[in-house]
Amino acid sequence: GAGVSQSPSNKVTEKGKDVELRCDPISGHTALYWYRQRLGQGLEFLIYFQGNSAPDKSGLPSDRFSAERTGESVSTLTIQRTQQEDSAVYLCASSSQGGGYNEQFFGPGTRLTVL
Amino acid sequence: AQSVTQPDIHITVSEGASLELRCNYSYGATPYLFWYVQSPGQGLQLLLKYFSGDTLVQGIKGFEAEFKRSQSSFNLRKPSVHWSDAAEYFCAVGPTGTASKLTFGTGTRLQVTL
Repeated sequence: GAGVSQSPSNKVTEKGKDVELRCDPISGHTALYWYRQRLGQGLEFLIYFQGNSAPDKSGLPSDRFSAERTGESVSTLTIQRTQQEDSAVYLCASSSQGGGYNEQFFGPGTRLTVL
Repeated sequence: AQSVTQPDIHITVSEGASLELRCNYSYGATPYLFWYVQSPGQGLQLLLKYFSGDTLVQGIKGFEAEFKRSQSSFNLRKPSVHWSDAAEYFCAVGPTGTASKLTFGTGTRLQVTL
């Protein structure tokens, strides 16, 4: 089937605006992850959803960041009052179930530019 | 806390030459180890992974990696590089058990000259 998809592919916004980034995981995958990749950096873990369990929010950098997931489907990452340091590529990944041994399949990312 | 170090930011090799990308990790026990490749405009693709057992693991596209516990390393190798291998390579460590978040290194950009 289709892989992980993300939208939009690119987003340019002004400082202080809110943005929503969307992730459609692979159908049937119960685990979903968000990562951030700043220019020249590795990926930083943001948040992890697994089924109906409480999400692991330990990577969210501030309370301006939040994410939701409806059941085992679409997830939305919201950044409120964007700052220039939020400029990055935001990557979503899904896996068939949780656990570090399960391969994470990554989407192409959303490139966010905050002016 | 777990961490991953990729000491080489940028490597250039000639097509047909051998390749080794270095990765060192810090973790309290034997972690799960991964190598991902990111081509321009593409998402990350898993090349190979190590969980346990044989310390030499084979992956896709002719890549292999060797886990060396004594050196806390998981270096990626390929005997003969192709121009299409030019990309960014990320080493990652995942905790054992039910926790799932991966910790990534900062990546090594591979350039292949013809």
